[in-house]
Amino acid sequence: LAKTTQPISMDSYEGQEVNITCSHNNIATNDYITWYQQFPSQGPRFIIQGYKTKVTNEVASLFIPADRKSSTLSLPRVSLSDTAVYYCLVGDRWQNFVFGPGTRLSVLP
Amino acid sequence: SQTIHQWPATLVQPVGSPLSLECTVEGTSNPNLYWYRQAAGRGLQLLFYSVGIGQISSEVPQNLSASRPQDRQFILSSKKLLLSDSGFYLCAWSPGQGLGYTFGSGTRLTVV
Repeated sequence: LAKTTQPISMDSYEGQEVNITCSHNNIATNDYITWYQQFPSQGPRFIIQGYKTKVTNEVASLFIPADRKSSTLSLPRVSLSDTAVYYCLVGDRWQNFVFGPGTRLSVLP
Repeated sequence: SQTIHQWPATLVQPVGSPLSLECTVEGTSNPNLYWYRQAAGRGLQLLFYSVGIGQISSEVPQNLSASRPQDRQFILSSKKLLLSDSGFYLCAWSPGQGLGYTFGSGTRLTVV
């Protein structure tokens, strides 16, 4: 399993764009990059998944450079309700993923 | 559409008592099923996973066990709970292709 490193915590203000970067230097050819969001006392929720370049959905964008050794989750114009823990996972379709401590995002008014 | 049910939502159990947490999935067949545990302020720890009826793989040695008596039912059990078993237990499922997990609402277990 590719090891991932992401900041433990981040602060932002309402209306700002938030970028959370995840490092995964030993990502394998078949690995995908997946991000989850977890609110307190709830299970993680799938946000976005990508393999290379850029992926965008109604919630977020995922930027993956050509070498795929890192990825950046971008949350446009965050609100207080985006305060949560965000997990970056790397692995192929057949693996059982290991969730690290994630990034605790605090959105301030 | 697929849904996952997990119960109970909260549970307080004395040390040494048994445990049974149940998880069921609807709207899909032959899902991969998972049990995770999350200690307060920590990441998720994979406990067990199952790719089919009666097939259980354990990731962490402990006094917990899991069973899958039916295709869409996954049960987490213990014969005697320890204080260290307290935590937030999450059931999840994924398609055979493994493209993302869907988690249940979780069970907060407090062993006293």
